This record gives sequence, structure tokens and C-alpha cells, in this order.
Amino acid sequence: QLQLRESGPALVKPSETLSLTCTVSGGSITNGTYYWGWIRQSPEKGLEWIGSIYYNGNTYYDPSLKSRVTINLDTSKNQFSLILHSVTAADAAVYYCERHRSVGKPFDPWGQGTRVTVSS
Amino acid sequence: SYVVTQPPSLSVGPGQTARITCGGNNIGRKSVHWYQQKPGQAPVLVMFDDDDRPSGIPDRFSGSNSGNTATLTISRVVAGDEADYFCQVWDGDDDRHVFGGGTTVSVL
Repeated sequence: QLQLRESGPALVKPSETLSLTCTVSGGSITNGTYYWGWIRQSPEKGLEWIGSIYYNGNTYYDPSLKSRVTINLDTSKNQFSLILHSVTAADAAVYYCERHRSVGKPFDPWGQGTRVTVSS
Repeated sequence: SYVVTQPPSLSVGPGQTARITCGGNNIGRKSVHWYQQKPGQAPVLVMFDDDDRPSGIPDRFSGSNSGNTATLTISRVVAGDEADYFCQVWDGDDDRHVFGGGTTVSVL
């Protein structure tokens, strides 16, 4: 059974960079034609898709976040990562990693989520 | 950008039918996916491509999509169905996934 698990710092200072990792177990991130991505959830904005990466390394991002976001694959560790630059209080949220089969297809499964606070 | 709208809340009695709507301009032309989220947990897919159920989801859950409204229907509601429900579509004009604001279903 495929499982995803987020990890990373719970607290980030304003203007700094947020880095999160998603570790995948029960399957390989390069096995099959899947996208791997990130979604966040906050009381203010609800669920918000951030971006995704294809198993071959191609990426697509939400236009509103594209200038600050990078998603990478680490095939040696069966992980993928999220980097978000220049964070503000508006970036505080629970961050989830996910898998989906193709653009427009549903997100399934999701990781358990990791809460990130932005504060000095 | 494409917007999908859900009612914030819905109350239903045990054994009754809950109909959760997701409105959007010509949403009937898009594939709609639905997620259930219980407190402190990650969302779980309960319906995809309008009316397909993932394995393990009870057949009390069904979906439809036409015109400007997609609907997730929960028949014979039980206490365990109490949760937030979110719809999601792909906005091909802006190349982004879009979520509805969510509907909290309360079982009386």
C-alpha cells in the first residue's frame, strides 16, 4: 500500500525559505506514470494546490505561487521536496504531499500533513 | 480564474440523504472529484470523475454532474459520515487545480 509522509521544520521565519520533504513507501516514485505534488490548507484560503512534478522531472505549478516554488525529485531516496521562498504569514498552513495519475486526475493518496508556522 | 462554490454547511438526520453541491460555470463539462476530511486527518478521495467510487468507499456515496452543478450524494447517512467535503476540478484555462471551500456535514 502506497504511503506518503511529510517532514520538515514546523517553524519558519518571515522572508526565509520553507523546505519540506515527502518520503514515499510502498512504491517507487519512478515506477509508473504518476505526478507527485504538494497541497496546503489554511483556515483563510482553504485547500490550495501548490504544484506537482512528473516522474520524469517535468513540473507544473499554481500560477500564483510559481515565482516562489520549486519541487524536486530525489530518486535515490524515493523522496520529493518542496521549496518555497520568501515566506510570509500567509504561507502558514498544513502542507500535504500527494500523488495523482495525470493532470486533471484526483489526488490519491495524501500524506498525513505537516503544520508549518511562520513567525519570527 | 475558475471558481467552484460549495454551501458552508449541511445538517442531516441519520438514515436520511445528504446532497452536497459544487457550483461552477459549465462545471458539467469538467471532471469533478470529491474528498472527505475528518478532524485532524488528511482528505480522502471518495468520488472521482464525477461518479466513480474508489475501492473501499461504500456504495451509499454517489455522484453526478450536469450544467452548472455537481453533486455528491450520501444515502442512508450514518454518524461516521460527519466530516468536511471538498470538490475539486482542473482549470484548463489557467492550468491549475481548484478546490471548493468545503461543506461541513453534520449528522443530527
